[in-house]
Amino acid sequence: AQSVTQLDSQVPVFEEAPVELRCNYSSSVSVYLFWYVQYPNQGLQLLLKYLSGSTLVKGINGFEAEFNKSQTSFHLRKPSVHISDTAEYFCAVDGGSQGNLIFGKGTKLSVKP
Amino acid sequence: EAGVAQSPRYKIIEKRQSVAFWCNPISGHATLYWYQQILGQGPKLLIQFQNNGVVDDSQLPKDRFSAERLKGVDSTLKIQPAKLEDSAVYLCASSSSGYEQYFGPGTRLTVT
Repeated sequence: AQSVTQLDSQVPVFEEAPVELRCNYSSSVSVYLFWYVQYPNQGLQLLLKYLSGSTLVKGINGFEAEFNKSQTSFHLRKPSVHISDTAEYFCAVDGGSQGNLIFGKGTKLSVKP
Repeated sequence: EAGVAQSPRYKIIEKRQSVAFWCNPISGHATLYWYQQILGQGPKLLIQFQNNGVVDDSQLPKDRFSAERLKGVDSTLKIQPAKLEDSAVYLCASSSSGYEQYFGPGTRLTVT
């Protein structure tokens, strides 16, 4: 069965610093991976997705993620964060039934001035 | 393009009462999902519709939860009777491709 582990529940960082949010997955089928962002009192918004092809995936708001099959990881990175990036970030894997997503528990990113 | 609409945004009920949530997906999206997001956890799929047919409801507690998508457009999720552990945010999402889901703002349910 597919599963997702987000290794950090909270990540505090100063504005303009780089950040990495870690995600490891377990899957016995072809891997489709996603990162979503959730701002307070809002639904989830897709940041980026990996379906196939280049292992470095670029998304919205300056985020990128790298698919590493050998380490079963899909870490999210941003070279310089802004206050507005404060939100909760969820890593997800396709559950095998097309479109059925399995989410991690989330990482709360807190950007401080 | 209008996004996924959900109502109500907030609901407070007592245990053993009934409650219903409504979702209107993005126009033309054939696939509709209901997720339950308990505080401190990621969303968990409850049910997936393709048009007006159920694709996956393996994690839906069918003794108390029900959902329908009449005419393959909007959908209703019902809980009857509610338990304290049903307190959560209920998210609706829709998709045309299956690989990019668009989420509504959610309904925050508090059961007292």
